[in-house]
Amino acid sequence: DGGITQSPKYLFRKEGQNVTLSCEQNLNHDAMYWYRQDPGQGLRLIYYSQIVNDFQKGDIAEGYSVSREKKESFPLTVTSAQKNPTAFYLCASSIPGRPNSPLHFGNGTRLTVT
Amino acid sequence: AQSVTQPDIHITVSEGASLELRCNYSYGATPYLFWYVQSPGQGLQLLLKYFSGDTLVQGIKGFEAEFKRSQSSFNPRKPSVHWSDAAEYFCAVGARNTGTASKLTFGTGTRLQVTL
Repeated sequence: DGGITQSPKYLFRKEGQNVTLSCEQNLNHDAMYWYRQDPGQGLRLIYYSQIVNDFQKGDIAEGYSVSREKKESFPLTVTSAQKNPTAFYLCASSIPGRPNSPLHFGNGTRLTVT
Repeated sequence: AQSVTQPDIHITVSEGASLELRCNYSYGATPYLFWYVQSPGQGLQLLLKYFSGDTLVQGIKGFEAEFKRSQSSFNPRKPSVHWSDAAEYFCAVGARNTGTASKLTFGTGTRLQVTL
């Protein structure tokens, strides 16, 4: 079955360390997204990519970086510059050029930084 | 600019009771409307969507919703809630004129608790 795989499910890091979250999809979707979820704040867009080797900043991109070297993969790096990195991170994909295309989500990675 | 407000942070209903989830939208033109459901520690699953056409939409898990343009509402209803419906529910809005990726604006969520 097609879907989005995020790994690991739980991730623990020390403050000051960079950490990379994995997102892989086999839905053949061109567009991929990273959202951050905090209690009581809903989902906020970090970065999105519509095609390989291209990506755009979302609403809260500061302290994060991404790459899109393959259609199937869209890893997110949480850098030491991110002030409050502890959160639940969700990766999603959709068919680009169709704004009515629903987002398909992975099961998320919970990052805890101490 | 579009905005989305979910007025109910937390709702508790008894199993078998009816349910309506609420969301207020603010947008310049008819947007794309979505509702997603999230079980604890999981990703989001599409519950309902409205783009155009028939304003009464059937979704998963026995939910339905009617788009009411005059009220700027698209509120899911379920006549009889099951314990398995306990989850967090998010409404989201997408602009029609972006021509790009599906950048959605999400509400802050409504957590549904079902008592037996």
